[in-house]
Amino acid sequence: DVKVTQSSRYLVKRTGEKVFLECVQDMDHENMFWYRQDPGLGLRLIYFSYDVKMKEKGDIPEGYSVSREKKERFSLILESASTNQTSMYLCASTIKDSLYTFGSGTRLTVV
Amino acid sequence: GDSVTQMEGPVTLSEEAFLTINCTYTATGYPSLFWYVQYPGEGLQLLLKATKADDKGSNKGFEATYRKETTSFHLEKGSVQVSDSAVYFCALTPNDYKLSFGAGTTVTVRA
Repeated sequence: DVKVTQSSRYLVKRTGEKVFLECVQDMDHENMFWYRQDPGLGLRLIYFSYDVKMKEKGDIPEGYSVSREKKERFSLILESASTNQTSMYLCASTIKDSLYTFGSGTRLTVV
Repeated sequence: GDSVTQMEGPVTLSEEAFLTINCTYTATGYPSLFWYVQYPGEGLQLLLKATKADDKGSNKGFEATYRKETTSFHLEKGSVQVSDSAVYFCALTPNDYKLSFGAGTTVTVRA
């Protein structure tokens, strides 16, 4: 069974900390995505990557960066966490003309 | 840009009731349309999809028809169960790989 695995289910971090959210897929997918999910706003795209070492900004990239050093791993980085980044973060992967596979999500709380 | 508008919730129903969740979209060209479902504590799962006008997607008793003339993709189920309680997201993708989501509709089915 194909999988997208997010390293943490719940995280609590302090304001100003540098935070790493990890995502790994085992499907050899080219495309990977980071979304945040907030009530009433749905899912909003933060960053995506269509190849190793490639990245593109999504709709809300401010305050975030990403890293894709290997095809299977896509990391989301909060350079200096703030309380307005408290959210559910969802990773997904896909290959052209294929369906998205989502991870179970990481619920991040910044205090 | 591309966008999806879906009816606001929450929606509360009794078992065996009829469910409709409205979804309309704005897009250039001919996007593919999707309904995703998120059960409590889980990531998103694809419920159904349609890739061209007049296509009907169906799964688990849910149906949605791609209506180009009204730019709509309404989700329906004739008889809901308690296990259908979830958050439902309408989404689209144009010719690239990025998904744009609606805000989500929370559905609660009472026994």
